[in-house]
Amino acid sequence: ETGVTQTPRHLVMGMTNKKSLKCEQHLGHNAMYWYKQSAKKPLELMFVYNFKEQTENNSVPSRFSPECPNSSHLFLHLHTLQPEDSALYLCASSQGGPNTEAFFGQGTRLTVV
Amino acid sequence: SQQGEEDPQALSIQEGENATMNCSYKTSINNLQWYRQNSGRGLVHLILIRSNEREKHSGRLRVTLDTSKKSSSLLITASRAADTASYFCATGGNMLTFGGGTRLMVKP
Repeated sequence: ETGVTQTPRHLVMGMTNKKSLKCEQHLGHNAMYWYKQSAKKPLELMFVYNFKEQTENNSVPSRFSPECPNSSHLFLHLHTLQPEDSALYLCASSQGGPNTEAFFGQGTRLTVV
Repeated sequence: SQQGEEDPQALSIQEGENATMNCSYKTSINNLQWYRQNSGRGLVHLILIRSNEREKHSGRLRVTLDTSKKSSSLLITASRAADTASYFCATGGNMLTFGGGTRLMVKP
């Protein structure tokens, strides 16, 4: 248990559906992240939030929409996804700064059908 | 963009043997971190080595860093079946960029 909780753990959605992934951290961290992990590809950093402000958007398609209402919660809203978006989506948090470790949630396994 | 590259991509050893994984990176760093991932789960931080450090130990883990060669290695001594996992190096401070990982299998 890392202190970062992601829900749901598994999600199957159709290409026309709208769903949201949720991440919650109880570590008092200031930075939160979304990563995508596809089969046979390195982890891809998608979004970074520092003190609730988005500081990085790594050329992610607009069908992925992040939301950070406070420093403890992070959402990833999904709509009109494609089958190639099927992946493990990982949330992480950290204190921020150059020499801090990241704490990861268990991930949401997303399948787009 | 991918910063770290792990080598080998896959490694299979017997329990009790040592496992060595290597990581190369491209740009200057403040630190380099190693993470472990059990199949289909989240990553767990193992160790952070700063750019002014050359070697660091944590239990059965030994990490080295050679900034002149832009490379790092992770050594797991006296491996156990429970060490079976993927291991990743990461750089980038508070915007971590990960390599493709080394899949380690430790056979009992």
